[in-house]
Amino acid sequence: EVQLVESGGGLVQPGGSLRVSCAASGFTFSTYWMHWVRQAPGKGLVWVSRINTDGSTTSYADSVKGRFTISRDNAKNTLYLQMNSLRAEDTAVYYCVLRGVTKLYWGQGTLVTVSS
Amino acid sequence: DIQMTQSPSTLSASVGDRVTITCRASESISGWLAWYQQKPGKAPRLLIYKASTLESGVPSRFSGSGSGTEFTLSISSLQPDDFATYYCQQYNSYSQTFGQGTKLEIK
Repeated sequence: EVQLVESGGGLVQPGGSLRVSCAASGFTFSTYWMHWVRQAPGKGLVWVSRINTDGSTTSYADSVKGRFTISRDNAKNTLYLQMNSLRAEDTAVYYCVLRGVTKLYWGQGTLVTVSS
Repeated sequence: DIQMTQSPSTLSASVGDRVTITCRASESISGWLAWYQQKPGKAPRLLIYKASTLESGVPSRFSGSGSGTEFTLSISSLQPDDFATYYCQQYNSYSQTFGQGTKLEIK
């Protein structure tokens, strides 16, 4: 059974940094592209970033480009999102998403709150 | 980037009604379209994938159809548990984008 478990969320001040993680199990992690999606309070779902199987190709939404870095450790079956220069508008639940062969799998999310 | 236009943004209906939500893609996504149900404080729940395949455990009153750029989610007979927000998502190739969401309210 596919399991995605996010962690690392919390309260951070504007301008600060945070790294969230996603521990994957139940599938061959190293063979799938992975994504981060976020949802601000009361708002819709927004794609944030994606990474290819070996980490050599990444892509970002314009709103986070230059501030966020996606990475993965295939030996640890873990996906990461390093978030720097955080702003109030980055406050959201962050979900990791597996794009499987025919469908998608989601974790339960981790809440990041940017506030002073 | 592929844009997804979902309508309506709000839908008022009664228990037992049949309702339909539409999602339109700015270019063809073949059948790479998923539908989700979300309730407050919860992660999205996958209902339909590959445009028309019902996720395991999802009641058969939910159905999806469409291809190319036009897709629909239908609920045949609304139950009290169905009042929630619904999203479409395209996952063509390596990209993903979402519709704006449809809030299904009790009339």
